[in-house]
Amino acid sequence: KAGVTQTPRYLIKTRGQQVTLSCSPISGHRSVSWYQQTPGQGLQFLFEYFSETQRNKGNFPGRFSGRQFSNSRSEMNVSTLELGDSALYLCASSTTGYGYTFGSGTRLTVV
Amino acid sequence: EDQVTQSPEALRLQEGESSSLNCSYTVSGLRGLFWYRQDPGKGPEFLFTLYSAGEEKEKERLKATLTKKESFLHITAPKPEDSATYLCAAADSETSGSRLTFGEGTQLTVNP
Repeated sequence: KAGVTQTPRYLIKTRGQQVTLSCSPISGHRSVSWYQQTPGQGLQFLFEYFSETQRNKGNFPGRFSGRQFSNSRSEMNVSTLELGDSALYLCASSTTGYGYTFGSGTRLTVV
Repeated sequence: EDQVTQSPEALRLQEGESSSLNCSYTVSGLRGLFWYRQDPGKGPEFLFTLYSAGEEKEKERLKATLTKKESFLHITAPKPEDSATYLCAAADSETSGSRLTFGEGTQLTVNP
């Protein structure tokens, strides 16, 4: 059974640019959540999508957005990148909300 | 606001030296308490979910327990391959769907 797949694994962007990250959940999982992980703040919840609708949102600025497609694949977008956006971005998928499987993450570096 | 606090921040053990990691939580109605293991450069790997006080779960050298205010991850006779960061997370009953509040983690090092 394939796990959660995140692409790309590594990304280097310049301040002011925008970036799109992709997440393919486990087959049959309809919920996709995104988290930001940094050494200082730990893992912080960004948002969750379920059946193409945003169901929950964390305390991040509007520069962070996401969407989910009909096949449950999800993308997150960060516009006007800042140095502080450098982090490991993790995606997790679940079925009923009682089991969260994480991908390996996308390491974003903003220079 | 939900809060999860883990202690200690770092723990160094000798192989075979048992110990416990602590996770204290303040949430609006606990829906689930999760333990994950994370290796450097990788995503968190699911270990356990606990749902109610008094519940215990075991997997190899690990045992997780839950009370109304905290959870413990007991590591019995650890091996060097148990070295990792252990994360605790809580889901509250007031939020529908999937939203976990994570602790900062305990970085465990097991020396041979």
